Amino acid sequence: ETGVTQSPTHLIKTRGQQVTLRCSSQSGHNTVSWYQQALGQGPQFIFQYYREEENGRGNFPPRFSGLQFPNYSSELNVNALELDDSALYLCASSLAAETTDTQYFGPGTRLTVL
Amino acid sequence: AQTVTQSQPEMSVQEAETVTLSCTYDTSESDYYLFWYKQPPSRQMILVIRQEAYKQQNATENRFSVNFQKAAKSFSLKISDSQLGDAAMYFCAYRRANQAGTALIFGKGTTLSVSS
Repeated sequence: ETGVTQSPTHLIKTRGQQVTLRCSSQSGHNTVSWYQQALGQGPQFIFQYYREEENGRGNFPPRFSGLQFPNYSSELNVNALELDDSALYLCASSLAAETTDTQYFGPGTRLTVL
Repeated sequence: AQTVTQSQPEMSVQEAETVTLSCTYDTSESDYYLFWYKQPPSRQMILVIRQEAYKQQNATENRFSVNFQKAAKSFSLKISDSQLGDAAMYFCAYRRANQAGTALIFGKGTTLSVSS
């Protein structure tokens, strides 16, 4: 069984640029959730994709957008980067049909905005 | 809105001893799930233990157990026989039930250090 993977591991961008982060779901999972974790804080929910459709969204502006592909991998895109976007971005996959629907996390992408 | 509170920013324990991490939550839902996740310096969030709110019996996973008090909205994690590898940030998380794919709501975390 393949776990959740994310790329890249680290990324440095400048304010105003755009960034794309990638996530591959655990084998057999059809739901992907993205979280932003600021330093020393708990993760905050950005949005979730289920079968290629956005299934829920947290309190993040529209410049945070995403995609899910037929193989259930996913992208998180952030436009017009701001300094406060510097954070660890976590992807989690789950099998929505499961009763417990536990989310399994990837290792994260550390984004630094200068 | 649901909230999760972890009132202990830092805790420490000696090897082989027992430590309890606290978590309280606020919700108007009657059916939900509670989780403890561990995040070591490697950053990967690892599921430690899960509790279904409809179950009165406290969940147990090897050295890890919870004390779930539904009326008090309390969900503490007990780590027995602590090991150096238990050192990490621990997050308590809540999720609504009966709705596939809902978001996890996390507390701010407790940093656990383990000394030999």
